[in-house]
Amino acid sequence: SYELTQSPSVTVSPGQTASITCSGDRLGSKYACWYQQKPGQSPVLVIYQDTKRPSGIPERFSGSNSGNTATLTISGTQAMDEADYYCQAWDSNFWVFGGGTKLTVL
Amino acid sequence: QVHLVESGGGLVNPGGSLRLSCAASGFTFSDHYMSWIRQAPGKGLEWISSISSGGGTIYYSDSVQGRFTISRDNAKNSLFLQLNSLRAEDTALYYCARGKVAGNSGKWFDPWGQGTLVTVSS
Repeated sequence: SYELTQSPSVTVSPGQTASITCSGDRLGSKYACWYQQKPGQSPVLVIYQDTKRPSGIPERFSGSNSGNTATLTISGTQAMDEADYYCQAWDSNFWVFGGGTKLTVL
Repeated sequence: QVHLVESGGGLVNPGGSLRLSCAASGFTFSDHYMSWIRQAPGKGLEWISSISSGGGTIYYSDSVQGRFTISRDNAKNSLFLQLNSLRAEDTALYYCARGKVAGNSGKWFDPWGQGTLVTVSS
């Protein structure tokens, strides 16, 4: 079965750029999306189709996907961006999530 | 405004059954895939099942295949998940989510409901 791998945690200073990666076999040939989940809240879509932002998502969130790695980039990270982030892709009739990355803004 | 509200969770004995519901509003329910995703306490997200707009195509994860059944009632804007032969490892917050399908250009979930908690314990 297809697997997506994320680093468990990333720490970034306020105002700096955070990069959260997601790796999977030939992930660049599929389409990746990203969800943000804050404590006690439901996940929220922040990036879909590799690079697109839903309405209402700040421009500081961006995505890329090439080779075996998709990346969520948060520019000018703010304290409110502290959350768990999950990548997700679709493969052979299965929706697959990465294990999640806890972003700490410190 | 799109709104998804899950219900039906609760405490159930191992081997027992439960039926979850998701009431949808604010969009044309019959035009969209719908899905169930769960999250065990302190753990990550796990997709478990999806159903096409008309109900004719259904997918399950290996972990629930043969035990859970997804269904929908487009006339009532409702999604369901029948959970049978429940195990302790099925304990989780169960989310309903609207599926977005762009052919071969990706499939994702947006938005999600607030979830309903299922606890399997004796």
